[in-house]
Amino acid sequence: GQQVMQIPQYQHVQEGEDFTTYCNSSTTLSNIQWYKQRPGGHPVFLIQLVKSGEVKKQKRLTFQFGEAKKNSSLHITATQTTDVGTYFCAGEGYGNKLVFGAGTILRVKS
Amino acid sequence: DAGITQSPRYKITETGRQVTLMCHQTWSHSYMFWYRQDLGHGLRLIYYSAAADITDKGEVPDGYVVSRSKTENFPLTLESATRSQTSVYFCASSRPGQDIGQPQHFGDGTRLSIL
Repeated sequence: GQQVMQIPQYQHVQEGEDFTTYCNSSTTLSNIQWYKQRPGGHPVFLIQLVKSGEVKKQKRLTFQFGEAKKNSSLHITATQTTDVGTYFCAGEGYGNKLVFGAGTILRVKS
Repeated sequence: DAGITQSPRYKITETGRQVTLMCHQTWSHSYMFWYRQDLGHGLRLIYYSAAADITDKGEVPDGYVVSRSKTENFPLTLESATRSQTSVYFCASSRPGQDIGQPQHFGDGTRLSIL
């Protein structure tokens, strides 16, 4: 079945440093979604990428979808303490189902 | 996301007991999903439903039962709880996607401990 791998599993950065998490799928994806989960909270949708090579920005967050539509990345510039949480990528499978990566836990030292 | 609620928020029970987790959404979303979240595994799909009276298995369905008699409700039942089912359970809903996917909206989760 479809698998989505996400690295790193955990990253601890100093406030102001950049952060990147990477997502790789075993199959070509029709689209990829990104979610953020704050500690003790629930996943919240951030963005969806659909087109090959697509790049989208949300303030300090930059999302990319690979040319082959099998990989994606989320880059945060100049992290802040409010960025703390777990970031998940999710590839869409059959029937509106999502296959989630294991997530990257981000901790920010102030 | 006030439109999707899960109950209870916390539950402690014993092995062998039946447990039902409730999920209710007010958006009239046709799709609903149940996930379990365990450290190192991310979110794993247990069951999903495309509409009332239509359900299907996800990645980890063993030991779980679902039903969907009404669009707004999607209860998850553990028929005979085991310690390996200790986890955080999330319910989610979404509109049907046609050409592109639709975001999923998650409830606050149920933290289930089985002793």
